[in-house]
Amino acid sequence: DAKTTQPNSMESNEEEPVHLPCNHSTISGTDYIHWYRQLPSQGPEYVIHGLTSNVNNRMASLAIAEDRKSSTLILHRATLRDAAVYYCILRDRYNTDKLIFGTGTRLQVFP
Amino acid sequence: NAGVTQTPKFQVLKTGQSMTLQCAQDMNHEYMSWYRQDPGMGLRLIHYSVGAGITDQGEVPNGYNVSRSTTEDFPLRLLSAAPSQTSVYFCASSYGQQNTEAFFGQGTRLTVV
Repeated sequence: DAKTTQPNSMESNEEEPVHLPCNHSTISGTDYIHWYRQLPSQGPEYVIHGLTSNVNNRMASLAIAEDRKSSTLILHRATLRDAAVYYCILRDRYNTDKLIFGTGTRLQVFP
Repeated sequence: NAGVTQTPKFQVLKTGQSMTLQCAQDMNHEYMSWYRQDPGMGLRLIHYSVGAGITDQGEVPNGYNVSRSTTEDFPLRLLSAAPSQTSVYFCASSYGQQNTEAFFGQGTRLTVV
């Protein structure tokens, strides 16, 4: 399974944009990039995913580098409710039944 | 639509006891899996299933058994609980394609004393 690397922690102020980076230099051409987040005392929840093009949804945007070796999850206006651990995960076509979690990035949001 | 339901939410076991953690989903997902999460760590895959009657081992399967007799249910059995199995357990389900999302339950917090 291809691996991802994320910073252990990041901080933001409320209502400011947040850019959460993820490196995946060994990504294969068919791997999808998924992001999940885990709020305190809850199960992980899906945020967004993409393959090659940048993606937007109601929760966030995903910017994917042209060489696909890195990606960035963008929260346009952080709120206190966005404080969570964010996981960047690669989903390959041979192991679609498994999600391999790293340690993620713990995002702190200050009022 | 309840999503993924795990029971119980909390459980305390004595070393050597057995128990079954329940997981049910109502989304007709073929793929289901069990993870454990130890303090300060990410989730680690215990067992997974790609459909009724089919199961396989994940990263940390020792001490756990699973079976999948129906699409909806995927119970996790601890045959002889050990303190090292103290953890939070999450069940997940999905359609299994690369471009689909997985849904997680709220977790079962298990303490083995």
